[in-house]
Amino acid sequence: AQTVTQSQPEMSVQEAETVTLSCTYDTSESNYYLFWYKQPPSRQMILVIRQEAYKQQNATENRFSVNFQKAAKSFSLKISDSQLGDTAMYFCAFITQGGSEKLVFGKGTKLTVNP
Amino acid sequence: GAVVSQHPSWVICKSGTSVKIECRSLDFQATTMFWYRQFPKQSLMLMATSNEGSKATYEQGVEKDKFLINHASLTLSTLTVTSAHPEDSSFYICSAPPGQFMETQYFGPGTRLLVL
Repeated sequence: AQTVTQSQPEMSVQEAETVTLSCTYDTSESNYYLFWYKQPPSRQMILVIRQEAYKQQNATENRFSVNFQKAAKSFSLKISDSQLGDTAMYFCAFITQGGSEKLVFGKGTKLTVNP
Repeated sequence: GAVVSQHPSWVICKSGTSVKIECRSLDFQATTMFWYRQFPKQSLMLMATSNEGSKATYEQGVEKDKFLINHASLTLSTLTVTSAHPEDSSFYICSAPPGQFMETQYFGPGTRLLVL
């Protein structure tokens, strides 16, 4: 079965500090993509960062970076210099190539950035 | 970036009526679209995969006669909730990949459905 586990239902961080959200996944496929999506109170899903499984280098997007450990099937998100606008639900997800080709989502982590 | 729209953004209806939700890809063609349902404080649950020109593929446990999906063109998929009941109240989201690239998906803003 293909699953995504986010073990932190809720987290909080002070503005300007750094926070790391955890994610582990399980798939038997070898080709897949990993994602972190942000869902703010508006509920619009926003892609934060994406990682191709065949790439060893961790993806970065400005203040957002990932720690991708393929052997451990771990894909954590680090948010640096947290901003109030980062307050949102964060979903870890993956999609396989050549398999079901459907996004598999974790249950999400609610992140609150405090002033 | 690519844009996916949904209409309406919110709808309130009486129990027993049917409600149609539209999902449009505004600046790209989408042979496939996905419909999700999201309950408060929960994750997205995939309901079905909508394929242009063919029948939708429903996930296990989703009633296909209850949630009718039509993908009549390369830019439009519709989800009709038939004979809606209060338990159908939820947030419905669609997503679409451009062409065959499933790893890139653009999400609509969602539709809030409240059945009274």
